[in-house]
Amino acid sequence: DVKVTQSSRYLVKRTGEKVFLECVQDMDHENMFWYRQDPGLGLRLIYFSYDVKMKEKGDIPEGYSVSREKKERFSLILESASTNQTSMYLCASSFEGGVCNSPLHFGNGTRLTVT
Amino acid sequence: KNEVEQSPQNLTAQEGEFITINCSYSVGISALHWLQQHPGGGIVSLFMLSSGKKKHGRLIATINIQEKHSSLHITASHPRDSAVYICAVSPDTGNQFYFGTGTSLTVIP
Repeated sequence: DVKVTQSSRYLVKRTGEKVFLECVQDMDHENMFWYRQDPGLGLRLIYFSYDVKMKEKGDIPEGYSVSREKKERFSLILESASTNQTSMYLCASSFEGGVCNSPLHFGNGTRLTVT
Repeated sequence: KNEVEQSPQNLTAQEGEFITINCSYSVGISALHWLQQHPGGGIVSLFMLSSGKKKHGRLIATINIQEKHSSLHITASHPRDSAVYICAVSPDTGNQFYFGTGTSLTVIP
């Protein structure tokens, strides 16, 4: 079974802090994604990566950056956390075969609160 | 503009009822995905389909490509089916998934 592990389930940070959200998958998947999920808005793509050191912006990349130094790990960085980044953050991974042509496997999510 | 629309937004059913959740989309797709999210956050992929019908246990997913419509059916519903069900599509151009906002299902014993 594919396992996608996010480092924290709950996180509380102060405005202006730099925040790191870590995601690790154990199935050698090429594609990894970071989403945020807000009530009424569904899942929105922040960034995705289809290979080591490769990254592409999603719909809402402002205020975020990512890092993929190793295939299994995809990190989301909030450069200077703000209250409007309070949200549920979900990491996902999938096999190659077109970025969207294989099932997505999700982590359990990180609920981030910025005060 | 929402590329994926789901209905209903919320659904309450009695245990044992047959449930249908609908998904309509507006773009050309290579595949459609049904996802399940239980309280607490984790999302599980239930189905990925590009034509016809798929069945897994009490869950059935159908898709009509011409009408750009998919349905998720749950037979003999059970309280443990209570979750948010999310429809997502893989567009045939570009490299992003489009997600519906989800259908929140509550099954009452």
